[in-house]
Amino acid sequence: DGGITQSPKYLFRKEGQNVTLSCEQNLNHDAMYWYRQDPGQGLRLIYYSQIVNDFQKGDIAEGYSVSREKKESFPLTVTSAQKNPTAFYLCASSMGDTAYEQYFGPGTRLTVT
Amino acid sequence: RKEVEQDPGPFNVPEGATVAFNCTYSNSASQSFFWYRQDCRKEPKLLMSVYSSGNEDGRFTAQLNRASQYISLLIRDSKLNDSATYLCVVNYGYGQNFVFGPGTRLSVLP
Repeated sequence: DGGITQSPKYLFRKEGQNVTLSCEQNLNHDAMYWYRQDPGQGLRLIYYSQIVNDFQKGDIAEGYSVSREKKESFPLTVTSAQKNPTAFYLCASSMGDTAYEQYFGPGTRLTVT
Repeated sequence: RKEVEQDPGPFNVPEGATVAFNCTYSNSASQSFFWYRQDCRKEPKLLMSVYSSGNEDGRFTAQLNRASQYISLLIRDSKLNDSATYLCVVNYGYGQNFVFGPGTRLSVLP
């Protein structure tokens, strides 16, 4: 089955700890993205990557970091510098051409207390 | 002005009703357009791409008006499981920048 997987589904952390969210795709997509969604709000872009070993900041990159060492994988680290990390985190991928849509993983709900 | 704006909603309609959602975008360089649906506490799922000539998929019809920078989604014969938030998405074609609207929530009532 082709698709995007994110793990874990739920994650709980104490304030001050870094945490890494996993995103893997086997769709052979070039582009991958991370979004954040807060309750009742729209999606906001954190980082995106069009090719391996390259990534760009989105609208709310502060307090986050990413890597893209493999085409299939785009992990997101939420650092202790992120002021309000509790949110629903969504990973997506696309073919990389503007005409193509994005496909989303099931998301990770992060709660930091 | 926000880049992508949608009807604020929520829309509460009876089963079988026809409902239309509107979306406007500010960047005339936009190249591709999509409608997604998002169920509560789930990921967005692609409903349909929107083409210049308009397109239909069963009970769903999407229209694009580039001159007015406006996209619409029409749902006919609403079903209970159409209840969701509908997201308008625009791609500007550079930097793979997909811009999401805030969404319009639909509740179809029995």
